Formats: sequence, C-alpha cells, structure tokens
Amino acid sequence: DAGITQSPRHKVTETGTPVTLRCHQTENHRYMYWYRQDPGHGLRLIHYSYGVKDTDKGEVSDGYSVSRSKTEDFLLTLESATSSQTSVYFCATAQGQLSYGYTFGSGTRLTVV
Amino acid sequence: GENVEQHPSTLSVQEGDSAVIKCTYSDSASNYFPWYKQELGKGPQLIIDIRSNVGEKKDQRIAVTLNKTAKHFSLHITETQPEDSAVYFCAASGTNQAGTALIFGKGTTLSVSS
Repeated sequence: DAGITQSPRHKVTETGTPVTLRCHQTENHRYMYWYRQDPGHGLRLIHYSYGVKDTDKGEVSDGYSVSRSKTEDFLLTLESATSSQTSVYFCATAQGQLSYGYTFGSGTRLTVV
Repeated sequence: GENVEQHPSTLSVQEGDSAVIKCTYSDSASNYFPWYKQELGKGPQLIIDIRSNVGEKKDQRIAVTLNKTAKHFSLHITETQPEDSAVYFCAASGTNQAGTALIFGKGTTLSVSS
C-alpha cells in the first residue's frame, strides 16, 4: 500500500451527520477510485476520477459525492450518513485507465450508528 | 454494463493441493482481467492479470486462463501453502459513460490447512 494513504482508518459516526473520507497518493497516478466492500457483495464502485476536477459515478453512487481538486487527493463525502453506509471503503489508483491494474489503500472502516 | 460472477464463494484445500477459482463476465468488450488477493485487514493486492489477446499466463505457482468465446477466466494455484489463505477477487474491465473501471466478483475465501 505504499504511496496511498487513507484517513481516517476507523470512524464511528451518527446517522444524519456528514462524513468525509480522504485518499492521498504520492504516485502521481491520474485515475483514482472509491470502492466499498461489504460481505456477500465484494467490491462495488462508488465514484471515480479520471483527472483533476473530472469525476463520474459508479454502480452505487447514491448518497455519496466526491471531489478532486489536485492530483494527489480524492475525497469521498457522505452528505448525511445512514446505517446502510456502514462499510469498509477502499481507495485505489491507476497509472493508466487499465494499463497497470489498481493499487489499493488499506481501507477505512466506517460505522454509522 | 459489465457483470462478473465468481465461484466458489468459499474453498478449503489441504496444503499441497491445487485450488481453482472461476469467473464469468458478461461484456464481450472487456479486455483486461486481473486477480487480487486480500489478506485480513489489508487492501487487495494484484497478483496476476491477463489481457484478451492471451489465453494463459503463469507466475510461479499461480496461473490464469482466459476463454474469450465462453467469457470465463480462472485462477489456478498449485502446491498451496497456508500463506495462500486469503480472499481472492477476480475483475473485468467495464465501460460506462465516461470511461472504464474494474468490476469485481464477490470474492472467494480460500482456506489452506496444514
């Protein structure tokens, strides 16, 4: 996971509060992705970015927004957290669109109570 | 869009045996198929990948095969060791409006007992 840092690593928050997860990379990779991992569902794509200020939705984007103001940072925001958003969130980066596969961060475990 | 099915969901083998995990995909335009290994408490790590112009690829004890006609690909691990115990994910490239991202299978939990 060298070069990709996710923060925080763990977070417990209350229903209805906003939450922002951060992904920071030092690889200078153009592409960045947010996935959530849940038992029985594997890894599902939330949002991704193909450059600074260029983002798009994945398969489970409802309730989430993202921002990328510089190459190294990709933020995931839960505007109003719900219990269904309790999950482990992974950030991934890629040098090319699919040229080299993904490098994943260590994950953020989010619990919404 | 792309859909990836992965089987089995759990697999238990004895040390030294072989393990095979199979995936199918739906989008005939997909052309990149990586496999990831995830150990407890860590993020997934790429272990091997294959592109659509190749039928098989090997790296020491692991190999991946691809059948584009049938739209399925498989991971083969030979001479399994306890340290191979982990969750394995297959993935396929998928396309939506703005670009391409990896679509993952639901994972296989491999347990190797000594």
